[in-house]
Amino acid sequence: GDSVTQMEGPVTLSEEAFLTINCTYTATGYPSLFWYVQYPGEGLQLLLKATKADDKGSNKGFEATYRKETTSFHLEKGSVQVSDSAVYFCALSLNYGGSQGNLIFGKGTKLSVKP
Amino acid sequence: DAGVIQSPRHEVTEMGQEVTLRCKPISGHNSLFWYRQTMMRGLELLIYFNNNVPIDDSGMPEDRFSAKMPNASFSTLKIQPSEPRDSAVYFCASSGNMGTSGYNEQFFGPGTRLTVL
Repeated sequence: GDSVTQMEGPVTLSEEAFLTINCTYTATGYPSLFWYVQYPGEGLQLLLKATKADDKGSNKGFEATYRKETTSFHLEKGSVQVSDSAVYFCALSLNYGGSQGNLIFGKGTKLSVKP
Repeated sequence: DAGVIQSPRHEVTEMGQEVTLRCKPISGHNSLFWYRQTMMRGLELLIYFNNNVPIDDSGMPEDRFSAKMPNASFSTLKIQPSEPRDSAVYFCASSGNMGTSGYNEQFFGPGTRLTVL
């Protein structure tokens, strides 16, 4: 079945370090891919997205490129800040002819950034 | 826009009691989702509605759980009777028509933290 696998955490980095969180997916169709972020005590919010192969999603210094050949959507940031400490979820959505498709989430990766 | 509204934010109850969680989606959105988040199982989809109709309830753990959406602006998730293993954070999310954008962003509420003693 359709699924998302992301690297297990927690990930602990020093401020200004480079971040990579790996995400790979399995899907029978052509999914849209997402990264959601959950700050402590809050709900999830969309960080970035890509709807087709080779698209690059970017927001707040974070980037991820939709790689169909490797079925991956790795999240990267060149220089993390303490405020980036959160749990990051990779997700996919299968769109059936324009109808609503629910999201399939990975298990989440907790990131802690130390000053 | 006020975003997705959930109530209560925190609920503590005793085993066997009925619990009702409430959600008000973003106005104009036609899909609503209920999720459960635990440390052990991560984020699980329980049920989702499209235009107030339940589309997929395969994630509902058992008959003790039920969800309704009587109109486009309100949904409930009920647990009766509640058990300690139901303790989790329950999130409601809503999304609008995919249209020409090619994706359907879900907007999450702040969640209800449920503790069953």
